[in-house]
Amino acid sequence: AQSVTQLDSHVSVSEGTPVLLRCNYSSSYSPSLFWYVQHPNKGLQLLLKYTSAATLVKGINGFEAEFKKSETSFHLTKPSAHMSDAAEYFCVVSEYSSASKIIFGSGTRLSIRP
Amino acid sequence: EAGVTQFPSHSVIEKGQTVTLRCDPISGHDNLYWYRRVMGKEIKFLLHFVKESKQDESGMPNNRFLAERTGGTYSTLKVQPAELEDSGVYFCASSLRQGVYEQYFGPGTRLTVT
Repeated sequence: AQSVTQLDSHVSVSEGTPVLLRCNYSSSYSPSLFWYVQHPNKGLQLLLKYTSAATLVKGINGFEAEFKKSETSFHLTKPSAHMSDAAEYFCVVSEYSSASKIIFGSGTRLSIRP
Repeated sequence: EAGVTQFPSHSVIEKGQTVTLRCDPISGHDNLYWYRRVMGKEIKFLLHFVKESKQDESGMPNNRFLAERTGGTYSTLKVQPAELEDSGVYFCASSLRQGVYEQYFGPGTRLTVT
């Protein structure tokens, strides 16, 4: 069975410093992995996705994530945090390429200190 | 292009009452999904429509929940009778094709059962 674990429920960084949001997954097959972001009172927005192509995936707003099969990880990073990055971030796994069901992590709330 | 819309944005009802949530997907998206986030836990899959047919309803919690998508356009999710544990945020998403293609999410409906 597939699952995803976000290791931190809350991360706080200063503006201009790097962001690291951690995600580990469990999957019996080659997974597809996604990061979604939810700003207050907005819908979930796709940041980036990994679907068995390049292991380093670049997304919107300067975010990127690296798929590491040996570590079963898909951590989200950004070199320099901006105040507008404050939101909740979700790591998501889908096990089969045709699967309709996707599994969400519990979410990481990112706070940015001025 | 209009995004996924959901109505109402917030609903407060008493235990035992009925509530109907509505989702309007992006025009032309045959795939429509319902998810639920209860009490800050993981966002969980409820069901998936392809046009007007239920492709996967394995996530529906019990028979108090009824989802419909007449005509393959908008969808409704009815909870009857509502229980306290049904409180949470109900998200709708749509996609052009199923699988690893991006799902576009609505802002959610916050349901509070008192």
